[in-house]
Amino acid sequence: SQQGEEDPQALSIQEGENATMNCSYKTSINNLQWYRQNSGRGLVHLILIRSNEREKHSGRLRVTLDTSKKSSSLLITASRAADTASYFCATDRSSNTGKLIFGQGTTLQVKP
Amino acid sequence: DAGVIQSPRHEVTEMGQEVTLRCKPISGHDYLFWYRQTMMRGLELLIYFNNNVPIDDSGMPEDRFSAKMPNASFSTLKIQPSEPRDSAVYFCASRRIKTDTQYFGPGTRLTVL
Repeated sequence: SQQGEEDPQALSIQEGENATMNCSYKTSINNLQWYRQNSGRGLVHLILIRSNEREKHSGRLRVTLDTSKKSSSLLITASRAADTASYFCATDRSSNTGKLIFGQGTTLQVKP
Repeated sequence: DAGVIQSPRHEVTEMGQEVTLRCKPISGHDYLFWYRQTMMRGLELLIYFNNNVPIDDSGMPEDRFSAKMPNASFSTLKIQPSEPRDSAVYFCASRRIKTDTQYFGPGTRLTVL
């Protein structure tokens, strides 16, 4: 069963614009992670935010977490054509299991 | 480090045949996960191991699916007999204990005709 619901399903923007993707989940979590998947490739870890954190930055990435609303957002600033990929949120309910539940993903297209 | 290695990268087989997918996790990682990705169902966790022991196989769809991890550097996912609805991309991922990041392999694209 899918824990995360992502929104939008698809996003198309111009290079240089910001891209925002949202993720909602259903149960309490230990942490939430974002992964990127380029076409035909495996997933690559981008950033992790713990349940006691509200915001985290990594380069051009900014992640927020609102545990009261059970939602997270991923912001990519100053997008590049190379950011074209699918982006997935994944929730970890317990650090003891390492079991991640992935959302359906957002497909981002950045036009040069 | 070579990363997670999966083989084969592509597999085309006929319905009823046995299929074996292979995975070599990153050396020193304690957890190994098998996922299946389809357009309809997204990315699903099938089974995962901790120190070579299966911990949760609740995602394995049917008895036709089985997974083993005979040692810390090798795991297999077997489908016997295969069916067209098993067509998907199968990913293996590994993780080190006390860390949260999973490292994915490139996947095996399975097509069952």
